Amino acid sequence: DAGVIQSPRHEVTEMGQEVTLRCKPISGHNSLFWYRQTMMRGLELLIYFNNNVPIDDSGMPEDRFSAKMPNASFSTLKIQPSEPRDSAVYFCASRAAGPYNEQFFGPGTRLTVL
Amino acid sequence: KQEVTQIPAALSVPEGENLVLNCSFTDSAIYNLQWFRQDPGKGLTSLLLIQSSQREQTSGRLNASLDKSSGRSTLYIAASQPGDSATYLCAVKGDNNDMRFGVGTRLTVKP
Repeated sequence: DAGVIQSPRHEVTEMGQEVTLRCKPISGHNSLFWYRQTMMRGLELLIYFNNNVPIDDSGMPEDRFSAKMPNASFSTLKIQPSEPRDSAVYFCASRAAGPYNEQFFGPGTRLTVL
Repeated sequence: KQEVTQIPAALSVPEGENLVLNCSFTDSAIYNLQWFRQDPGKGLTSLLLIQSSQREQTSGRLNASLDKSSGRSTLYIAASQPGDSATYLCAVKGDNNDMRFGVGTRLTVKP
C-alpha cells in the first residue's frame, strides 16, 4: 500500500484565496483525521470522520474551514478565505476500524499564506 | 481535557549513549498511547503503540513503557545513532477517538 497520500505537498497562496487540501487514506481504513501542526501549538486535531461521516469538528478553528469526505477513498479540507495565520503543515491520517489500532500519517501539506 | 507533556523539549547526546524520553498525561482513561518519530519537513512515522492493558512494547533498539495509573510513558532508545536524530512525539487516545499529542522532544545524536 502506498500509505496515506496528500496533495499538494506545498501550497503558497495569497490572503483571501481559497485553498483546498486533499487526502487519500489507506485502503480499508474507515477513520480519517485532519491535523494542523504549528511551532506554537504543536499538532492539533481539526476534524475526524468515521465511515465518511464527520464525527467531531470541534477542532476546526473557524467557519472559514470546512472538510468533506464524499467517499471512503477521498477527503478534502478547504479554507476560504485563507489568512496568513492559517500558515502551517496540515496532516491527514487514517486508521482501520476499532479504537485500538494505529494511526498512519500522510507526508503533510505545507501551506503558506502571504 | 487531556494534556500531554513531554520532557525534555530537546536533548543532545553522543553516539552510543542510551537515553530516555518522557511523556506524561493528565487523564489516565486512555485506550492506547503511541510514540511517533518526525523528521524535519516530514510526516509522522509510528514507532510503537501500547494498549492501555499493556505495560511495554519493544521494537529493535526501542522500548516503550506505560504506567497508566500514574499517567506516564517512557521511550528508551538503546545505543543511539546519528540516524536517530529527529523529533519524538507521544500521543494518547481517549474514548472519544481524540488523539492528544505532546509537542515533542527534539533529539540530536552527535557522531
